[in-house]
Amino acid sequence: QPVLTQPTSLSASPGASARFTCTLRSGINVGTYRIYWYQQKPGSLPRYLLRYKSDSDKQQGSGVPSRFSGSKDASTNAGLLLISGLQSEDEADYYCAIWYSSTHVVFGGGTKLTVL
Amino acid sequence: EVQLVQSGAEVKKPGESLKISCKGSGYSFTSYWIGWVRQMPGKGLEWMGIIYPGDSDTRYSPSFQGQVTISADKSISTAYLQWSSLKASDTAMYYCVRSSIEFGELLEMDYWGQGTLVTVSS
Repeated sequence: QPVLTQPTSLSASPGASARFTCTLRSGINVGTYRIYWYQQKPGSLPRYLLRYKSDSDKQQGSGVPSRFSGSKDASTNAGLLLISGLQSEDEADYYCAIWYSSTHVVFGGGTKLTVL
Repeated sequence: EVQLVQSGAEVKKPGESLKISCKGSGYSFTSYWIGWVRQMPGKGLEWMGIIYPGDSDTRYSPSFQGQVTISADKSISTAYLQWSSLKASDTAMYYCVRSSIEFGELLEMDYWGQGTLVTVSS
């Protein structure tokens, strides 16, 4: 079982909200990790969006709009990325990541967002 | 302005060696970690490892340990990723990234190089 699991795809309408999940493997407690989120638009290099551990430990990437936000769902052991007011330009792949085992970064497999 | 500028695309044959580079500018090169991220064609991101140019402290992902070598020359603000014997499965885009560490945790990869496409084919 992968360390981080993301759904492969997500669809939403313009103006709606999108909720991305990043589920940590059983036995790895989401509460102890900062979850990092990256966006990669087609044909472009990835971009850091934000990190979230708690409401008192979070950071927005430089120039990232406030309609991008992070959260967690302890009941499902998942980190969340929320995008409100979806725009066509938000179509991209979204990756979560953690600093795992105090030794290395692990990425999730990524979720492709389609805005239609 | 912070910039990470990577060397150009490479086409190599299996078994050949290769060293690609990433030159940092616009910040103190020895105060941040430089990492490498692989993206195989049509696939996701994979973190390979990092180096701290200040003292050459290097860490590798278990998946890449022994497969590649990360190094840096702080005198010219450049980090490197090298292979001694390429395989077709090394065909990918490779990004260098900048990060910092806080209390032992590697933080966000806030700046990314433009990527170096490595193609390994006979």
